Amino acid sequence: AQSVTQPDIHITVSEGASLELRCNYSYGATPYLFWYVQSPGQGLQLLLKYFSGDTLVQGIKGFEAEFKRSQSSFNLRKPSVHWSDAAEYFCAVGFQGAQKLVFGQGTRLTINP
Amino acid sequence: DGGITQSPKYLFRKEGQNVTLSCEQNLNHDAMYWYRQDPGQGLRLIYYSQIVNDFQKGDIAEGYSVSREKKESFPLTVTSAQKNPTAFYLCASRLTISGSPLHFGNGTRLTVT
Repeated sequence: AQSVTQPDIHITVSEGASLELRCNYSYGATPYLFWYVQSPGQGLQLLLKYFSGDTLVQGIKGFEAEFKRSQSSFNLRKPSVHWSDAAEYFCAVGFQGAQKLVFGQGTRLTINP
Repeated sequence: DGGITQSPKYLFRKEGQNVTLSCEQNLNHDAMYWYRQDPGQGLRLIYYSQIVNDFQKGDIAEGYSVSREKKESFPLTVTSAQKNPTAFYLCASRLTISGSPLHFGNGTRLTVT
C-alpha cells in the first residue's frame, strides 16, 4: 500500500535558523508531491507542489522542497524561519489515476524566540 | 474570490443526535472530500465524491453519510452510530486531473457531549 512517512512528529528551531522537514513515500511510480501548512484551528494551505521537471520547487512564504527519486523523499526547507512559521506541516502524495492523496502524519513546528 | 466554505465553525450536539456539516465550494471543482482530524492522527478520509450523485467510502466511513446532489455542495452527516464524533472536520475539493492539489476549507469543530 502507498504510504507517506514524516519521521519527525515535533521539531523546535530558533527564529532565524534554517529548517528541514522530512518526507518519505513508498510507491514505484513517479508521484505527485505536495506540502501543506496548517495553523491551529484552520484548514490546510498549499505551500508547494511537484509534478515533473525541475526537482527543486519553490513555494510560498519562502519555502522550497527537493524531490529525490533515489531516496523517495520530498523534504521541505526554509533558510531562515520566522515566528509566524510555527504550525503543523503535512506532506501528501498522489499518483497517476489516483482519486485520493495520501497524507503523512504531520510535523508540528515550534519556533523559539 | 473562489474558495470552500464550511459552516458552522463550531458545532455542539448532544450524544444520540445526528448533525450535518455544510461544505460549499465555488471553485468549479468536480471532486470533493471529507476528512477527520484528531490530535496526533493526521488526516483520515471519510468520504469522497468525483461527480454529482456519486460518492465513495474512505477509510473511516462508518457512522457517517454524505450526499452530492449539486456540484457545489457536499454535506456530511455525523450519525448517532459514530462512536467518537468529537473531532475537527475538514472539507476539500480538487479538479479531477492527475496532480491537482486539494483545496481545503477552514474546518468545523464538532463537540458531542
